[in-house]
Amino acid sequence: DAKTTQPTSMDCAEGRAANLPCNHSTISGNEYVYWYRQIHSQGPQYIIHGLKNNETNEMASLIITEDRKSSTLILPHATLRDTAVYYCIVRVLPGGSNYKLTFGKGTLLTVNP
Amino acid sequence: NAGVTQTPKFQVLKTGQSMTLQCAQDMNHNSMYWYRQDPGMGLRLIYYSASEGTTDKGEVPNGYNVSRLNKREFSLRLESAAPSQTSVYFCASSVTSGGAYEQYFGPGTRLTVT
Repeated sequence: DAKTTQPTSMDCAEGRAANLPCNHSTISGNEYVYWYRQIHSQGPQYIIHGLKNNETNEMASLIITEDRKSSTLILPHATLRDTAVYYCIVRVLPGGSNYKLTFGKGTLLTVNP
Repeated sequence: NAGVTQTPKFQVLKTGQSMTLQCAQDMNHNSMYWYRQDPGMGLRLIYYSASEGTTDKGEVPNGYNVSRLNKREFSLRLESAAPSQTSVYFCASSVTSGGAYEQYFGPGTRLTVT
């Protein structure tokens, strides 16, 4: 799985958009970009994933650059409950022996009132 | 649906004691996983079970054993606990065909080995 680089921490004002960047310059053609988050003391929670097109769901939007070397997770209207560690993970789809989901240290997003 | 449940929520062991962490899911998922998370670190995969009847080692399997009891249940056993196994343990499950293959995580078991 490709290595990812994320900022250690970010701040965001409540009600504003939170834009979390992730670099994955060694991504392969068959690797997807996944985002999870972990609210303090809870298990991680899936947010969104994509291959090369931008994606949107009820939680967030995912913007992947055309060369796929980086991506941005957008929380359009951040709330205090969005304070969490956000993990960007690059992986192939599961199959054979490829079941591993590799978590790095992620970005601690703090949403301030 | 309860999702992924784990028992116990907290446990304190003495060095050398054994215990089994239990995990169950009610989402009819094929694959199940055990992770550990040390303070300030990301999660590391201990063992996984791609489907009922199979188990495989992850990144940090030493000191652990697993059993996929049936499609719903996947247990993690510490035969002789060591202080280095003090951690938060998360169980997860996922589908393996179609969909986003996202993993659903339980609430965790906080284990302290003294």
